[in-house]
Amino acid sequence: AQTVTQSQPEMSVQEAETVTLSCTYDTSESDYYLFWYKQPPSRQMILVIRQEAYKQQNATENRFSVNFQKAAKSFSLKISDSQLGDAAMYFCAYRSSLTQGGSEKLVFGKGTKLTVNP
Amino acid sequence: NAGVTQTPKFQVLKTGQSMTLQCAQDMNHEYMSWYRQDPGMGLRLIHYSVGAGITDQGEVPNGYNVSRSTTEDFPLRLLSAAPSQTSVYFCASSYSSRTSPLHFGNGTRLTVT
Repeated sequence: AQTVTQSQPEMSVQEAETVTLSCTYDTSESDYYLFWYKQPPSRQMILVIRQEAYKQQNATENRFSVNFQKAAKSFSLKISDSQLGDAAMYFCAYRSSLTQGGSEKLVFGKGTKLTVNP
Repeated sequence: NAGVTQTPKFQVLKTGQSMTLQCAQDMNHEYMSWYRQDPGMGLRLIHYSVGAGITDQGEVPNGYNVSRSTTEDFPLRLLSAAPSQTSVYFCASSYSSRTSPLHFGNGTRLTVT
C-alpha cells in the first residue's frame, strides 16, 4: 500500500519570505498523481496544486510551486512571498493511476502546520 | 453550485447512541468518500464508493456503515457511538478520472461522551 510522509509537523516563515514543505511517498507504481491541500482554521480543505507523475515539468500555481523528484519519490511545496493568509495545515496526498478496484483512493500525509509571522 | 454539503456541522452524542452524517453533492461525481481527521493523524479513509450501489472499506471502517443508493448521496452511519469516534469527519467527492481533485464538504465535528 502507498504511504505518504510529511516529516515536518510544524514550520514557520516570515511574511514575504519563501518556505518549502516536504513530502515523500512510497509506491511501486510508475504513474500516479500527487496533490497538495491547504486547510485553514476554517477547516475547509482547499486544493493548492497537483502534479501528474508522467509530466517532468514541475507544476506552478501563482506563488505555489512544487519540486517533483520522481526517482527520489519526493514532492515538496514551495510557497513564495508568503502571506498571512497562507497560515494553515498543508496536506500532501497520493492517488494511483491504476484502474483496479480501490485505486481511486486518496492517501494523505499527516500534515504540516505552517505559521506565517508578520 | 452547492458542491459537497455535509450536515450537521456539529454533533454531540452519548456512548451507544446512533446517528447518520449526511453528505450530498450536486456535481454528478462518481466517486464519494468519508474521511476522519484526528490530531497528528492526518485524514484517514473510512469508506468510499465508486458509484451508486457500490461501496468499499477504507483504512478505518470499523464502527461505520455506508450505502450509496443515488449518485448524489453518501450517508455515514454510526450504529453505536464510542468515544474513540470523536473526530472531525469529511465527505469528499470527485470524478472517476485520477486527475480529478477531491472536493470536500466543510466537515462535521463529532464528540462522543
